Amino acid sequence: SQKIEQNSEALNIQEGKTATLTCNYTNYSPAYLQWYRQDPGRGPVFLLLIRENEKEKRKERLKVTFDTTLKQSLFHITASQPADSATYLCALPPPGGFKTIFGAGTRLFVKA
Amino acid sequence: SAVISQKPSRDICQRGTSLTIQCQVDSQVTMMFWYRQQPGQSLTLIATANQGSEATYESGFVIDKFPISRPNLTFSTLTVSNMSPEDSSIYLCSVEDYSGANVLTFGAGSRLTVL
Repeated sequence: SQKIEQNSEALNIQEGKTATLTCNYTNYSPAYLQWYRQDPGRGPVFLLLIRENEKEKRKERLKVTFDTTLKQSLFHITASQPADSATYLCALPPPGGFKTIFGAGTRLFVKA
Repeated sequence: SAVISQKPSRDICQRGTSLTIQCQVDSQVTMMFWYRQQPGQSLTLIATANQGSEATYESGFVIDKFPISRPNLTFSTLTVSNMSPEDSSIYLCSVEDYSGANVLTFGAGSRLTVL
């Protein structure tokens, strides 16, 4: 079955540094990959989508890469701020369907 | 994006009771999705609710435990029946964003604690 792996350990970084989060998947080749942000007590909020034919996607301080050979996506936040502290979820469409499946997320803490 | 109102935001329930969670969307949508997020776990799809038909349940979830209603294109309810402590979780309603590509918009979630 399809599996999404995100680092379960929290990532602690200093304000101003670049945060890099990893999403690995197995057993199939998705047409696209999504990243969501989730704050405590809130539902996930969509950030970025990257398609299989795109190597990189940017939105303001966010950058996502998609390596279909490694079956991996990297999510970067440059010039990180304490307000970026949240859990970041990777999500994929399952093969042959439309129902999104999610990774468990990585908690990011940005210290001032 | 659609705006989703979900209630209750949180509740503490006794074992053996049932609780109904409501999800209201500010626009008409074809499909509404119910997810469960257990502590430290990923979001797991419970079922897809279509207006005018029975909900479609994912493996491991059954209608007797999680009955769903979808009376119109803007509203759905999920009931967690005969609750046990293992049902303590966050339950989230979601819909597909207007932009497509299966981008999901979520409600704020309902955090249930079963004693």
